[in-house]
Amino acid sequence: DTGVSQDPRHKITKRGQNVTFRCDPISEHNRLYWYRQTLGQGPEFLTYFQNEAQLEKSRLLSDRFSAERPKGSFSTLEIQRTEQGDSAMYLCASSSTGAGNQPQHFGDGTRLSIL
Amino acid sequence: GENVEQHPSTLSVQEGDSAVIKCTYSDSASNYFPWYKQELGKRPQLIIDIRSNVGEKKDQRIAVTLNKTAKHFSLHITETQPEDSAVYFCAVQETSYDKVIFGPGTSLSVIP
Repeated sequence: DTGVSQDPRHKITKRGQNVTFRCDPISEHNRLYWYRQTLGQGPEFLTYFQNEAQLEKSRLLSDRFSAERPKGSFSTLEIQRTEQGDSAMYLCASSSTGAGNQPQHFGDGTRLSIL
Repeated sequence: GENVEQHPSTLSVQEGDSAVIKCTYSDSASNYFPWYKQELGKRPQLIIDIRSNVGEKKDQRIAVTLNKTAKHFSLHITETQPEDSAVYFCAVQETSYDKVIFGPGTSLSVIP
């Protein structure tokens, strides 16, 4: 079990540029979640997938944000026309679909800095 | 929507003492309550969780208690060690496929 992996670990970009992050969940997990965490705060939910279906999106997810999970395995999160306020840690988590609530396991995150 | 509050925001204890962190939630339908530990620059790591049909759960020096009637749950760490220093987040989940709502976190410092 290699855990949840995210790439890149750090991304520095100029305002207005587009960025894309990748998340590879634990292999047998079919639920995948994206969260955003700013300094001193808990992770905030952005969106989640069950297999390839995107089942819920937060109001935090503006039209500039889009997420995909085309084959039900890895997922990508794209931010278009980045703004200063997008600077944050973007965390991915995955869980299985066993009976009852299953714990979510997090990746190390991608830290985005907007210049 | 669900609202999770967490107290205290910072906690400093002497090594060997106990630490208690308390959380409250608003949605009575919530039924799963994980706790995560996050060290600086690292991923949140699940340390213990409790389901609504259980009132208390213990794992070595860590225990969690749940009062569903009052809608609050607490994390107890006994015999604290310097490596327990981190930010701790309580969280709430309503159903097995729902998002997890996190509290604002408690920064715990264990003084040697």
